[in-house]
Amino acid sequence: DAGVIQSPRHEVTEMGQEVTLRCKPISGHNSLFWYRQTMMRGLELLIYFNNNVPIDDSGMPEDRFSAKMPNASFSTLKIQPSEPRDSAVYFCASSLSRQAGELFFGEGSRLTVL
Amino acid sequence: GENVEQHPSTLSVQEGDSAVIKCTYSDSASNYFPWYKQELGKRPQLIIDIRSNVGEKKDQRIAVTLNKTAKHFSLHITETQPEDSAVYFCAASSGNTPLVFGKGTRLSVIA
Repeated sequence: DAGVIQSPRHEVTEMGQEVTLRCKPISGHNSLFWYRQTMMRGLELLIYFNNNVPIDDSGMPEDRFSAKMPNASFSTLKIQPSEPRDSAVYFCASSLSRQAGELFFGEGSRLTVL
Repeated sequence: GENVEQHPSTLSVQEGDSAVIKCTYSDSASNYFPWYKQELGKRPQLIIDIRSNVGEKKDQRIAVTLNKTAKHFSLHITETQPEDSAVYFCAASSGNTPLVFGKGTRLSVIA
């Protein structure tokens, strides 16, 4: 298996633009997580899905952030409109189930908002 | 919800010495405690984990200890090598909740 696949790896955009980050989890994994990593705040959970259903989105910073998982093999995280403080590395991770334990992370998407 | 505190934030050791990173957690229901290693520019990867039914687990040069009464767990790396230089994250969960991570420890092993 290729592991968790994220795109784009790097994104540079201007304030106010829409950003869409994409994730393909490991086949057979039922849980998918979006984390944001910054120097100041470390790894923060934004939202997670179980069997394609959003379970907890309390970590989503504000209404500008939204996430979807239309099927078991694809998820998106959208920021609209983007702001400079959204600059961070966004990681997608998957696991066999909520109770399975180990998270498998993608390579991350480094977002820079100018 | 769960809160995980991790110390120190940075740690420098001489090659061959031991390194210890400590974490505390707040939710007594937490029962799964993994440690992740993140090399510069790479993804976090699991290096060892422990569940609440054991007090210690060892895998070659790394070991983790857990004190459920004190809500405290630690990572021990012996005979450190330059390739151990990375950021290490502890985390905790209760099984039905997602992992909550500590803020990380940047370990530098000086040759």
